[in-house]
Amino acid sequence: EDQVTQSPEALRLQEGESSSLNCSYTVSGLRGLFWYRQDPGKGPEFLFTLYSAGEEKEKERLKATLTKKESFLHITAPKPEDSATYLCAVQAGTGGGNKLTFGTGTQLKVEL
Amino acid sequence: GAVVSQHPSRVICKSGTSVKIECRSLDFQATTMFWYRQFPKQSLMLMATSNEGSKATYEQGVEKDKFLINHASLTLSTLTVTSAHPEDSSFYICSARIPGRQETQYFGPGTRLLVL
Repeated sequence: EDQVTQSPEALRLQEGESSSLNCSYTVSGLRGLFWYRQDPGKGPEFLFTLYSAGEEKEKERLKATLTKKESFLHITAPKPEDSATYLCAVQAGTGGGNKLTFGTGTQLKVEL
Repeated sequence: GAVVSQHPSRVICKSGTSVKIECRSLDFQATTMFWYRQFPKQSLMLMATSNEGSKATYEQGVEKDKFLINHASLTLSTLTVTSAHPEDSSFYICSARIPGRQETQYFGPGTRLLVL
């Protein structure tokens, strides 16, 4: 069974204090790993898709990296508007169809 | 990114009534849409995959007679919660993929259902 574990559950940062969020996964043949941002009461907003170990993608203050066992979402010099829950999901390449398996997320709060 | 809308955004209903939630892809055609449910402090759980012109595929443990899915056009899928009960209260979110655009799913804004 595909599993996704995110850590920490919650993270509080000062504005400008860089950090990383972790997503560990076990999956039968990874088809893709996805990062989303979710604000309270809203649907997830797409951030990145990673397909193979060693791949990296960047968008503004965010950078996602992927290994064979985990992915990191690095946040550089965060701002209060980066406060949200960050979700990681995997899609299996073997018999998984289109199913995304999500982690429970990391709730990030960035304070002034 | 792709735009997916949902309607209504919030609904309150009495126990025993049925509620219909619409999911639309606004700037692309989606042959496949997905319905998720999210309880507080929990991850999104896939309920079913909605296929245009054919029957939906339900995940294990999801009652297909309770959660009716209709994907009548390439831009619209509906989820009907039949005979809703308080335990059906949750956040329902749909998603869709852009055909040919690899695997990324784009999510709607969600529908908050409260059953009294």
